[in-house]
Amino acid sequence: EDQVTQSPEALRLQEGESSSLNCSYTVSGLRGLFWYRQDPGKGPEFLFTLYSAGEEKEKERLKATLTKKESFLHITAPKPEDSATYLCALSYNTDKLIFGTGTRLQVFP
Amino acid sequence: SQTIHQWPATLVQPVGSPLSLECTVEGTSNPNLYWYRQAAGRGLQLLFYSVGIGQISSEVPQNLSASRPQDRQFILSSKKLLLSDSGFYLCAWSVRPSGGYTFGSGTRLTVV
Repeated sequence: EDQVTQSPEALRLQEGESSSLNCSYTVSGLRGLFWYRQDPGKGPEFLFTLYSAGEEKEKERLKATLTKKESFLHITAPKPEDSATYLCALSYNTDKLIFGTGTRLQVFP
Repeated sequence: SQTIHQWPATLVQPVGSPLSLECTVEGTSNPNLYWYRQAAGRGLQLLFYSVGIGQISSEVPQNLSASRPQDRQFILSSKKLLLSDSGFYLCAWSVRPSGGYTFGSGTRLTVV
């Protein structure tokens, strides 16, 4: 059973068209939920960590939120340079992170 | 500041040849270290992790092995590569208790 599910798998947006990416999880005892950005051929780059339901974090055009069963990455007025794959990961009872398969975002001018 | 080095960036190896990928971390002590593999269009699969020198945990039975000869050095090896070993290999570190990982730049391995 998948513990971390990301949707949609791919998202195409026009520049300036705001949207949200979803990360849902089924584990209990969440210790942390992480968002990463990955550009083609590169390692993932850390964006946010969320630890408890109701927590929100922002960075430029990105805002991450967390509930008891899912997290959203909101992208406001995206630009072409926001195009990347966004990965969600969580830790719950070990030091290991469990990753979702990612959402591939393309922003067109 | 902490940095992580991973090399080589790309590697093309024939089937049956050995493999050695190296990862080193600077600016931190006693980190947790991880090897992940990412197949094309798929998520990150944890291969090995280590919480200390000589301590290796394997997540997936396979043709690969890992070693940690020094506190900040993590090595991924194979005696004989298979075609299915092709992929993008990523090294990462974290500090305890569990926190976000910092990833290296990755190695693109193609087995031919």
